[in-house]
Amino acid sequence: AQKITQTQPGMFVQEKEAVTLDCTYDTSDPSYGLFWYKQPSSGEMIFLIYQGSYDQQNATEGRYSLNFQKARKSANLVISASQLGDSAMYFCAMSDRGSTLGRLYFGRGTQLTVWP
Amino acid sequence: NAGVTQTPKFQVLKTGQSMTLQCAQDMNHEYMSWYRQDPGMGLRLIHYSVGAGITDQGEVPNGYNVSRSTTEDFPLRLLSAAPSQTSVYFCASHTSTDYGYTFGSGTRLTVV
Repeated sequence: AQKITQTQPGMFVQEKEAVTLDCTYDTSDPSYGLFWYKQPSSGEMIFLIYQGSYDQQNATEGRYSLNFQKARKSANLVISASQLGDSAMYFCAMSDRGSTLGRLYFGRGTQLTVWP
Repeated sequence: NAGVTQTPKFQVLKTGQSMTLQCAQDMNHEYMSWYRQDPGMGLRLIHYSVGAGITDQGEVPNGYNVSRSTTEDFPLRLLSAAPSQTSVYFCASHTSTDYGYTFGSGTRLTVV
């Protein structure tokens, strides 16, 4: 069963606007971590933000914030003030703790295009 | 520079050939893993290791072997390449805190 679901294959946003990329997850483990990665056309995986399942506050890293709704099992990425350089593929991922420590499960990604 | 180093960056193989994708990290991370990325599929875990001498299978292990004789190195072996193994391969490492996953730059493999 798919553990991470990203329902938006593509998103478009105008420069300087905010955009939300959706991510839902599925796990029965009470302890887990949620990640967002950016993959530009050059191909490297760039870590953006992390949220632990026990963290009380939503994670923020500069223009990136993670809207963590535990009861809904969602971990949406919010990019504020979009820039042309934000155009890339974005992946949501989850790591289970415990017996599956060391494994990351990825969604299929959302291709974000920022237009001027 | 510290990080995860993958070699080669590009490789073309003929069906049935064998090869090893190299992965090395200099951050003393306990955990290392291999992923493959196919169009529209995201990244899928092939094999992972929680320390030297300990490996386990991921979601798509068939056709691949791994071993971890040192903390630094985690090579991925293709014993008999098939066209279905055409993909981009990423190696990653991280610590037990589960926060600092570091990815290599990837290996683009084509099997003809």
